[in-house]
Amino acid sequence: QVQLVESGGGVVQPGRSLRLSCAASGFTISSYAMHWVRQAPGKGLEWVAVISNDGSNKYYADSVKGRFTISRDNSKNTLYLQMNTLRAEDTAVYYCARGPGLHGYISYWGQGTLVTVSS
Amino acid sequence: QSVLTQPPSVSGAPGQRVTISCTGSSSNIGAGYDVNWYQQLPGTAPKLLIYGDSNRPSGVPDRFSGSKSGTSASLAISGLQAEDEADYYCQSYDNSLSGSVFGGGTKLTVL
Repeated sequence: QVQLVESGGGVVQPGRSLRLSCAASGFTISSYAMHWVRQAPGKGLEWVAVISNDGSNKYYADSVKGRFTISRDNSKNTLYLQMNTLRAEDTAVYYCARGPGLHGYISYWGQGTLVTVSS
Repeated sequence: QSVLTQPPSVSGAPGQRVTISCTGSSSNIGAGYDVNWYQQLPGTAPKLLIYGDSNRPSGVPDRFSGSKSGTSASLAISGLQAEDEADYYCQSYDNSLSGSVFGGGTKLTVL
């Protein structure tokens, strides 16, 4: 069955970097757009970024544009999120999620990984 | 402040019907983009509930239904059950932001 497993979360100081990974199984990510969505503690969902199935198109929320980079390695069936210049307001559970497409619904979600930005 | 506006909470007794609204604008729902709905049970990841305004993925009970009109959409849940107690989120695409947007979420309490 479809599985998405995020890793790489943890506690990081403001201004530092972190890279999240999402290992997919049960399907081939090369057929799907992939998203990152985050949820701050006790808050709602916030879409972060999306990448097309071949990696040629990427879109970001204004709140992370210029600081975060979404990428994928289809040969490893893995999605990434490089997060630079982290801020306290980036503290959240980060979910990896599968399209079908760039701008439509999200069909499957991982269980999330917690990123805490704190000194 | 979310781009899509939802009521913070709704409630209903078992067996009743409740609706959750999702109000957008001319750059998202009003532009004709699909509205999708997600259910998030406490302590778990969100789950797709409705896609393409009114379509249910396999396995989602027909007690859940979606509709859209103008710049708004609604999720209706009939025959409320205790297990429906969760947070519900609407989502669409916004062409001025060039990305997906979520509503702020609605907490459903089953009395």
